Amino acid sequence: DTGVSQNPRHKITKRGQNVTFRCDPISEHNRLYWYRQTLGQGPEFLTYFQNEAQLEKSRLLSDRFSAERPKGSFSTLEIQRTEQGDSAMYLCASSLRIQMDEKLFFGSGTQLSVL
Amino acid sequence: AQKITQTQPGMFVQEKEAVTLDCTYDTSDQSYGLFWYKQPSSGEMIFLIYQGSYDEQNATEGRYSLNFQKARKSANLVISASQLGDSAMYFCAMREAQNRDDKIIFGKGTRLHILP
Repeated sequence: DTGVSQNPRHKITKRGQNVTFRCDPISEHNRLYWYRQTLGQGPEFLTYFQNEAQLEKSRLLSDRFSAERPKGSFSTLEIQRTEQGDSAMYLCASSLRIQMDEKLFFGSGTQLSVL
Repeated sequence: AQKITQTQPGMFVQEKEAVTLDCTYDTSDQSYGLFWYKQPSSGEMIFLIYQGSYDEQNATEGRYSLNFQKARKSANLVISASQLGDSAMYFCAMREAQNRDDKIIFGKGTRLHILP
């Protein structure tokens, strides 16, 4: 068990470009979450999956954001036509959702900078 | 509306003193869970403690305890005998469980500084 892995660690892109991030959860975990965090703020919920099913996408997210979790394993988060306001740390977390005390295990995040 | 409120943006505490980090929450569910996470300057999020809404006793994990006051919708984190390594951001989080929407959401956090 190597924990939750996120790639890349850092991404610098120009405004208008598309970017894709990958998250590999802990293998037996059925839940996978994406959060966005800006400096000094708490993680902001983006979306989450139970196995391969996407349960909810935040209403704060525009249609430029999309996430997938094919086969209920790894997940990708794509941002199309990036804007400077998309600059943030994107955190992935996984968990084993059986009971209420579902502990989230976080990856190290992908730091996105949009120039 | 904010569901998790952490009113202390920053706190300074002398080493070895106890510290209480405030968290209030808003839910109409009867069944929910409350969590605290720590985020050091290195960035990783570390689970600290969990309290279920039906748990009769306050949760404890080593030096961490959760002061759960259900009627006040309050779930304060208490750190006893603070250490320099406790300096970090602390986030309160909640899951509501009686509806289909059972995602975990976080507060804005409190930055704790432990002074030597």
